[in-house]
Amino acid sequence: DQQVKQNSPSLSVQEGRISILNCDYTNSMFDYFLWYKKYPAEGPTFLISISSIKDKNEDGRFTVFLNKSAKHLSLHIVPSQPGDSAVYFCAASALGNQFYFGTGTSLTVIP
Amino acid sequence: DAGITQSPRHKVTETGTPVTLRCHQTENHRYMYWYRQDPGHGLRLIHYSYGVKDTDKGEVSDGYSVSRSKTEDFLLTLESATSSQTSVYFCAISGTNRRNTEAFFGQGTRLTVV
Repeated sequence: DQQVKQNSPSLSVQEGRISILNCDYTNSMFDYFLWYKKYPAEGPTFLISISSIKDKNEDGRFTVFLNKSAKHLSLHIVPSQPGDSAVYFCAASALGNQFYFGTGTSLTVIP
Repeated sequence: DAGITQSPRHKVTETGTPVTLRCHQTENHRYMYWYRQDPGHGLRLIHYSYGVKDTDKGEVSDGYSVSRSKTEDFLLTLESATSSQTSVYFCAISGTNRRNTEAFFGQGTRLTVV
């Protein structure tokens, strides 16, 4: 059973606008959450993370929001750029450093 | 790149043959992982290791075994490859001695079982 879910397989956004990618999880033991970006024929690369003791973490154009009561996190990219076009995976981990990934959202930023 | 090398990068093999994929790291990270990526399933954990000779199963471990005899090497073996094991396999590493650190991924191995 998928413990981390990304319900939107794809998203298209105009360049310069905001991209919002969503992720839901079911396991209340998860205490660390991450976003990865993946280009075709490459391995996923780490983008940004958030600990469960926070509700927001920002790094440049990327902000991750965590709503623990709703078991929901989101990644905001502002402003979106064509180079941001990739597949984005959210991931979560609990006590043992095991990472559980969602199914991914393919983001297309239209110039 | 975080000092992770996967080999081979591509492999075609026949059903029923054994296959071993290798992951080598130069970062001295404690944790090593094998994932497979399939359309509609994202990245799923096969096995992971938390130290030399210390391994555990992930979500989709059936048909796979692993070994870690040195800190830097983590091997994934398909004892008898099946077509359902056609996938892209990623190795990842994380952690030194603290929790809640990100995982770094290798470039992937594309395995085709015919």
